[in-house]
Amino acid sequence: DTEVTQTPKHLVMGMTNKKSLKCEQHMGHRAMYWYKQKAKKPPELMFVYSYEKLSINESVPSRFSPECPNSSLLNLHLHALQPEDSALYLCASSHRDREAGELFFGEGSRLTVL
Amino acid sequence: AQTVTQSQPEMSVQEAETVTLSCTYDTSESDYYLFWYKQPPSRQMILVIRQEAYKQQNATENRFSVNFQKAAKSFSLKISDSQLGDAAMYFCAYRTGGSNYKLTFGKGTLLTVNP
Repeated sequence: DTEVTQTPKHLVMGMTNKKSLKCEQHMGHRAMYWYKQKAKKPPELMFVYSYEKLSINESVPSRFSPECPNSSLLNLHLHALQPEDSALYLCASSHRDREAGELFFGEGSRLTVL
Repeated sequence: AQTVTQSQPEMSVQEAETVTLSCTYDTSESDYYLFWYKQPPSRQMILVIRQEAYKQQNATENRFSVNFQKAAKSFSLKISDSQLGDAAMYFCAYRTGGSNYKLTFGKGTLLTVNP
């Protein structure tokens, strides 16, 4: 199994809603990532979890709240978002202790904030 | 800070021809890794090829190969016998060695393959 699975694929929410994005991998990877990607732009790193602990937070607004319940799951809780937060949210994972540590990406969750 | 520059926002190639995508990077580190990722219109980012900085031999994966010039800090991707399925956004990426798993991406090159 070499997949990173993200749900939902599409999400539309209002600025007062609370929703969550989910990511799952069963490759035994111990590093998991959230990226935000705008159209025709490179992904921007938001958070990195290493061994289920938050290791990098790229100064992301608190309306985004990550959670790593176990080594296979990664969530991104969304609350009081702004229209400019509309984007493709990519989850990725990598071996924590392999040499190159290349990332495996999911297909993403397309978020629209009204 | 490390930077990755892709100077070609868009490229096009005829099917079955060869195309080279450029990437340069700036770093003071000696231990690092370079990657090319492909993102087709279906969105999933896929690793195309990787290169360890300490390896002198250029990496090759089937029709994809790199020209790694460490002194010039250049890392170009050559796609041979281009296929329609190669049409995608291609991102060059850099990572320092050790426990830092933060990738720095270039802005990307949109490749069109013409039949």
